[in-house]
Amino acid sequence: AQSVTQLGSHVSVSEGALVLLRCNYSSSVPPYLFWYVQYPNQGLQLLLKYTSAATLVKGINGFEAEFKKSETSFHLTKPSAHMSDAAEYFCAVMGSKGAQKLVFGQGTRLTINP
Amino acid sequence: IAGITQAPTSQILAAGRRMTLRCTQDMRHNAMYWYRQDLGLGLRLIHYSNTAGTTGKGEVPDGYSVSRANTDDFPLTLASAVPSQTSVYFCASRQTASNTEAFFGQGTRLTVV
Repeated sequence: AQSVTQLGSHVSVSEGALVLLRCNYSSSVPPYLFWYVQYPNQGLQLLLKYTSAATLVKGINGFEAEFKKSETSFHLTKPSAHMSDAAEYFCAVMGSKGAQKLVFGQGTRLTINP
Repeated sequence: IAGITQAPTSQILAAGRRMTLRCTQDMRHNAMYWYRQDLGLGLRLIHYSNTAGTTGKGEVPDGYSVSRANTDDFPLTLASAVPSQTSVYFCASRQTASNTEAFFGQGTRLTVV
């Protein structure tokens, strides 16, 4: 079975500061990992994904994430926050084998302070 | 425009009534999913289908049923709605063979009163 824990339901950073959103996963098989972003009153949009290739994954809007198997983590970072980054971010895991259920974390709401 | 269409966009429903949320995709994806989104709980998987003709239970399947008669459609039915089913419901699809990401609809906001 797969599960995801996102540490921190709310994260607030200043414009131009580093963004770090934490995600730890649990999976009984090698995982595929995803970060999605949700803007107000919209559906989810893919930021980036890890599917067993490079452990450092680059996504859209300057975001990147590093898969660390030893730490079972897939934290999302961006060197310099922009006001437009304010949104809710979801980490998700799916087993690379078996039923392939896509399971999400609880979400982290990112606020950018001017 | 290719994508996922959910209907209705929003609905107010009396408790005890039956309701079907519709989801249609035109990308020929084999896997489809239904999630509910509640504040503080993120997205929780209700039911999923890895291919037409098969379905499976997710994290919170009670009170919901699905069917997958063909590739494009994946309706979610609430047989007898209760207030705790008030939520925003998202449908998603993906192509499992290429290990791609899931694509999401715009959601259905359901209020059960």
